[in-house]
Amino acid sequence: DTEVTQTPKHLVMGMTNKKSLKCEQHMGHRAMYWYKQKAKKPPELMFVYSYEKLSINESVPSRFSPECPNSSLLNLHLHALQPEDSALYLCASSQDRGGAYGYTFGSGTRLTVV
Amino acid sequence: DAKTTQPNSMESNEEEPVHLPCNHSTISGTDYIHWYRQLPSQGPEYVIHGLTSNVNNRMASLAIAEDRKSSTLILHRATLRDAAVYYCILSPRGVGNEKLTFGTGTRLTIIP
Repeated sequence: DTEVTQTPKHLVMGMTNKKSLKCEQHMGHRAMYWYKQKAKKPPELMFVYSYEKLSINESVPSRFSPECPNSSLLNLHLHALQPEDSALYLCASSQDRGGAYGYTFGSGTRLTVV
Repeated sequence: DAKTTQPNSMESNEEEPVHLPCNHSTISGTDYIHWYRQLPSQGPEYVIHGLTSNVNNRMASLAIAEDRKSSTLILHRATLRDAAVYYCILSPRGVGNEKLTFGTGTRLTIIP
């Protein structure tokens, strides 16, 4: 298995809802990442997990809450989002931390906040 | 983070080689050079990466200048499926600041 699987593919949520995005990989990768991509812009890093511990938080608002329950799974919990949070949310993984390893990206969850 | 500079857009004819340039004059000795591409409505796809020597894989070749201040991604025979945004990114080897920071990339158009 050489894929990063993200679910759901599409999500529409209200500003008072709570929802979660899920990311799964079975490549034995020990680093996992969340990126956010607005339309016609490059992806922006949100969080880095390494060996199931949060190692980088790029000053992301607390309405986004990441979780790494095990080495194969990464969640992003969403609460009280704003319409400007509508974007494509991408998950990625790499064998380990550091530039020596290529990243594998999922196809993303397209989130619309209404 | 060391930055990269790429042309905003390029065009190439189908079945011809494509050379995508990237300048990274402030690269440090421990920065790896990564290339990813993103097709419409998809997540980025890993293409190739290297440190000092030229690299080849089934998708492309990466030519790295001797002073490492620039690199070129080579697609040997472009197809319509190669139309995408190509990102050249520097990623440090060290642990602690490892992250892939995307620039604006090069939008490659393939002409049939």
